[in-house]
Amino acid sequence: TQLLEQSPQFLSIQEGENLTVYCNSSSVFSSLQWYRQEPGEGPVLLVTVVTGGEVKKLKRLTFQFGDARKDSSLHITAAQPGDTGLYLCAGERFNKFYFGSGTKLNVKP
Amino acid sequence: KAGVTQTPRYLIKTRGQQVTLSCSPISGHRSVSWYQQTPGQGLQFLFEYFSETQRNKGNFPGRFSGRQFSNSRSEMNVSTLELGDSALYLCASSTEGDEQFFGPGTRLTVL
Repeated sequence: TQLLEQSPQFLSIQEGENLTVYCNSSSVFSSLQWYRQEPGEGPVLLVTVVTGGEVKKLKRLTFQFGDARKDSSLHITAAQPGDTGLYLCAGERFNKFYFGSGTKLNVKP
Repeated sequence: KAGVTQTPRYLIKTRGQQVTLSCSPISGHRSVSWYQQTPGQGLQFLFEYFSETQRNKGNFPGRFSGRQFSNSRSEMNVSTLELGDSALYLCASSTEGDEQFFGPGTRLTVL
């Protein structure tokens, strides 16, 4: 059983649509990171959230950390083909990092 | 600041051989973690080194080992390679207890 559950596993949408990816746990994390990974490359850090209820925006991407610091969401507005990739969430507890299984997003032009 | 670097980027080995992968963390980062990523299993934690000491370890057999040098550079070694060891091996560095930054990975193919 993974400590962090991500949903959905796969998402295929048309350019211009909105989407939300979820990262859930029953455990509390000190911080949570979101990464985007392209095939054959390492994950690239998008954002870190540390405060319960925190919302961070990065252009068309909005990240939210749950009030209890157990869950997070990533919302993409008006998705573009360049958003295609594997989105991973990772939570840090006591100097250990736990990764979700990832959401594979495909944005069709 | 330069990012995390990993060498080599690609490697082809045959079963039974051994391999050593190298990782140079971001300057000032003392923690280096190693992960194995496969399509079926996702990102699996191998081990973490902090100030030359293994601080955390995942559930991998003893064929997988690592070390960290005084300059924080790290190596991981896999002995007696098996077909199932084919994967993307990722290294990530961090200062203590905050976000990790990943290198580009080493793609290992075992034939």
